[in-house]
Parts: sequence; structure tokens; C-alpha cells
Amino acid sequence: DADVTQTPRNRITKTGKRIMLECSQTKGHDRMYWYRQDPGLGLRLIYYSFDVKDINKGEISDGYSVSRQAQAKFSLSLESAIPNQTALYFCATSDLAQGMDTQYFGPGTRLTVL
Amino acid sequence: SQQGEEDPQALSIQEGENATMNCSYKTSINNLQWYRQNSGRGLVHLILIRSNEREKHSGRLRVTLDTSKKSSSLLITASRAADTASYFCATDRVGAGNMLTFGGGTRLMVKP
Repeated sequence: DADVTQTPRNRITKTGKRIMLECSQTKGHDRMYWYRQDPGLGLRLIYYSFDVKDINKGEISDGYSVSRQAQAKFSLSLESAIPNQTALYFCATSDLAQGMDTQYFGPGTRLTVL
Repeated sequence: SQQGEEDPQALSIQEGENATMNCSYKTSINNLQWYRQNSGRGLVHLILIRSNEREKHSGRLRVTLDTSKKSSSLLITASRAADTASYFCATDRVGAGNMLTFGGGTRLMVKP
């Protein structure tokens, strides 16, 4: 079974709709992240959380919000989707073992906003 | 602009050849990591090199780090078709709270 899962895997929605992407992990890690990847580009950090009560904005948080419902769950919401939010979204976890932040990624959610 | 910049952006080689990818960065780091991404899938951690290390090996992977030049290279020896993927460097910058900053990646194609 995958350690980091994301649902849905694919989603097509219309401009203005609110959507939620969900991430669950069984690794027991405290740290969780949401990234977005655009074609041919690297990952950009949207939001991150170091524990259940900690939420931080990343590089590109505008238009997004998150919720850390439990240590194992971290959800990303697009309040009013727009076409330039079409991208591949990844959730990741880490536990800062030995002071080094090696990250473990989910399979990704491909989002298309029409 | 991105902290890590990979070079080349794309690389095509024959099976059995070696593949070398480079990463340059701008600010001091605690460590540098390389990740692999198969098309449309999540990234997978390959190897981590600390700022006080110069070279590290893992199977067919060899990573070097030159902090004076702020650069790293990833060498894949005796490449296989299954090595076809995108490879990303990620830097853990000093003072960034152990957050990772990813580069744009190198797309490697290994032809059988």
C-alpha cells in the first residue's frame, strides 16, 4: 500500500468552482506539504504544515487554502478555481530525520480548470 | 528565480552510456538532494549529500558537490531504458527552516 495517497487522481472542473484535493499518509510524519507542478517545470510550494496546529504559506499560496485535519491528513482547497490553476498537484511528507528533510511524495492529482 | 537550475534541460543517450546532469544554486546550503520523477508521477528521493561531503555513491548513482562553485552533478552509470525520467535537484538552504527548493529538472531519455 502506498504511504502517501492523494484523491482524486484526476479532476476536471469549471472556472469558479470550489474544489478540494485530499492527502493522507501512513508514514507517521509530522511535516506535510502541497506543491504544484506546471508542464516542464519544477515544483513550487503552495502551503506546508509542521504539525496539526501549524500552517504556513509557501511561494504561491494566493488562491489556495489548506486544512490539517489530523497528523495524517492535509487538504488543499481552491476556493474559486481559475484556468491558470490547471496543473499537477503533489502532496509530500517528511519527518526531518537526523536534521535532514527528505520528502516522500504522493502520486499526484492532475487538475484541469476549464 | 529558482534556487536550483539543472543543466541540461533535456538529455538523450543510448542504453549503456553514462548520463551526467548538473545543478547550480545560489545560496549556502545544508544539503542537496536529487529526486527522480517518472512521467506524471510523484517524485522519488534518490540521494542526499551534505554540505560537508564532496562525493557520494548509491548503486549506479554518483553525486558530487562543490560548495565553492555552488554546484552539484548526478552521474548515472551504464544507463538503462528504465532510467528514462526527469531528475530534479533540491536544496535545503541555510536559514530556510529545512525547506526544500526544487530546480526545473533534467529530462533524461535513454534509448534502448
